[in-house]
Amino acid sequence: GNSVTQMEGPVTLSEEAFLTINCTYTATGYPSLFWYVQYPGEGLQLLLKATKADDKGSNKGFEATYRKETTSFHLEKGSVQVSDSAVYFCALSDFSGGYNKLIFGAGTRLAVHP
Amino acid sequence: NAGVTQTPKFQVLKTGQSMTLQCAQDMNHEYMSWYRQDPGMGLRLIHYSVGAGITDQGEVPNGYNVSRSTTEDFPLRLLSAAPSQTSVYFCASSSGVFNYGYTFGSGTRLTVV
Repeated sequence: GNSVTQMEGPVTLSEEAFLTINCTYTATGYPSLFWYVQYPGEGLQLLLKATKADDKGSNKGFEATYRKETTSFHLEKGSVQVSDSAVYFCALSDFSGGYNKLIFGAGTRLAVHP
Repeated sequence: NAGVTQTPKFQVLKTGQSMTLQCAQDMNHEYMSWYRQDPGMGLRLIHYSVGAGITDQGEVPNGYNVSRSTTEDFPLRLLSAAPSQTSVYFCASSSGVFNYGYTFGSGTRLTVV
């Protein structure tokens, strides 16, 4: 079945450092790919998405490119801030069963220190 | 701008008790889902609904029931709580078949003792 694999955390960075969180997927067909962010005590918020190969999703300085050849959707940010500390989830859309549901990775916790 | 509202935010149950987690959305979304979040496992789909009167099982449905009598509401029922159901529960809704993003509620943290 379809699945998502994320790098294990926690990831600890200093402010203004470069961030990469790896995400690879296994899927039949051509799913849409997503990054969600969960701040402490809150629900998940959609951070960015890409719906076809070579699409680049971007939001709030974060970027991720849909790479079909490597089945990857790595999240990057050039300069992180303390306010970026959160748990980040990679997800794909799964159409099987006639319902467009989300398949999530395990999540990666990011801690940014001043 | 309420979005998806979940109640309660926290709950402690004794083994064998029953309860209902409430979820309501005001965006006229057809699709609604319940997920549970456990450490190291991401979010797993419990049940989902594609419209009023239509529900189906997700990845981990055992021990949970749902119904969808209106577009707005999608309650999740625990019939006889077990410690294995200790988790954080999220309700989510979406408008489109091609899933241009789900809107999540803020979650219910449930502890079963």
